[in-house]
Amino acid sequence: QKEVEQDPGPLSVPEGAIVSLNCTYSNSAFQYFMWYRQYSRKGPELLMYTYSSGNKEDGRFTAQVDKSSKYISLFIRDSQPSDSATYLCAMRDNYGQNFVFGPGTRLSVLP
Amino acid sequence: EAQVTQNPRYLITVTGKKLTVTCSQNMNHEYMSWYRQDPGLGLRQIYYSMNVEVTDKGDVPEGYKVSRKEKRNFPLILESPSPNQTSLYFCASSLYTEPGLASNEQFFGPGTRLTVL
Repeated sequence: QKEVEQDPGPLSVPEGAIVSLNCTYSNSAFQYFMWYRQYSRKGPELLMYTYSSGNKEDGRFTAQVDKSSKYISLFIRDSQPSDSATYLCAMRDNYGQNFVFGPGTRLSVLP
Repeated sequence: EAQVTQNPRYLITVTGKKLTVTCSQNMNHEYMSWYRQDPGLGLRQIYYSMNVEVTDKGDVPEGYKVSRKEKRNFPLILESPSPNQTSLYFCASSLYTEPGLASNEQFFGPGTRLTVL
């Protein structure tokens, strides 16, 4: 079993839809949970991160962490064609310098 | 402009021919890291460095070497490349949020696509 699992997609949605992206993980020591966005032929860039369980909102994006289920989600409201990218979840424990990434979900938002 | 640069961007080589991929950042970041990205496997950490002369293995270090002689540079060395090292490689850097703890925000370079024949 991989340490972090993520549905690879591709996921295609119409413009304006609500998108839900998810990751599951097996290591209960993970405390920091990140979402990175990667456009084609570019390096990833951080969207947002959360510490431990709970929700965090930033504009159209909401990150949720459920540590009891070892499940994290990223919601995108009012999705735009410019949101078309691969979304990578990433995690690490409190003091680790080692980041563990999911395989990524490719999202296409159709105009 | 604050950035992470990698060279070369594309490289085709043959098995066993030593190569170096350079990485440089101009943001005075302490933490630097190398990843490889493969379809279905995502980003996997190869090596990371917490500061000059301090490096440690990530999840997939076999077949790779690194060095950190200067704060801004973190080259990745493949002493004897093999076809299973064909991949897309990313260098990343970040600040510390507190002593010894890298920020969750890593800044990635543009990637180096390596093909080993």
